[in-house]
Amino acid sequence: GEDVEQSLFLSVREGDSSVINCTYTDSSSTYLYWYKQEPGAGLQLLTYIFSNMDMKQDQRLTVLLNKKDKHLSLRIADTQTGDSAIYFCAEIRASSASKIIFGSGTRLSIRP
Amino acid sequence: EPEVTQTPSHQVTQMGQEVILRCVPISNHLYFYWYRQILGQKVEFLVSFYNNEISEKSEIFDDQFSVERPDGSNFTLKIRSTKLEDSAMYFCASSLTSGGDTQYFGPGTRLTVL
Repeated sequence: GEDVEQSLFLSVREGDSSVINCTYTDSSSTYLYWYKQEPGAGLQLLTYIFSNMDMKQDQRLTVLLNKKDKHLSLRIADTQTGDSAIYFCAEIRASSASKIIFGSGTRLSIRP
Repeated sequence: EPEVTQTPSHQVTQMGQEVILRCVPISNHLYFYWYRQILGQKVEFLVSFYNNEISEKSEIFDDQFSVERPDGSNFTLKIRSTKLEDSAMYFCASSLTSGGDTQYFGPGTRLTVL
């Protein structure tokens, strides 16, 4: 199947870390992505990881990839109100060079 | 920073009418894409376009849909006879190369079919 699954909602306190999880089904995934969508805006690429990596860090963002379990996570350190958005997990597979397959998105809300 | 732009931001049309959604990709990009997101559902791939040809399309992209790069800057999606179920947010994207290269997305056009 083409399933990329995420939980729909996450609420965290400002200053805490947010961890958004994603599972995918196809072991041929070559690239895995995290996109951010703010209200009324397009899809902004936050970060990506090659399938032969298991971790990538970029400032406040840490991506962890567990290929065995087909599990991808995005950790946002020191979560701020500006991080409120929908976060999409996505993948590209070896069978297609152009088609990004998206998860349903996780809505991250920040409470004071 | 270069960005993908789309017009209009919102299009309302009557069922059965033709609509053309317009996109201006990033100027040196060679690969172009359309995706759509029906309200409350996932973002779905529609079509990719390279060298004036469709390189890949999904099952959604039937004969009612067509894409065109009419000049050196625009990339359009035409829906010939809109249906109620075509109501969605349509996103254009572009990339310099394919095979996982970053696809940059526009802000989307919200299409409402009445």
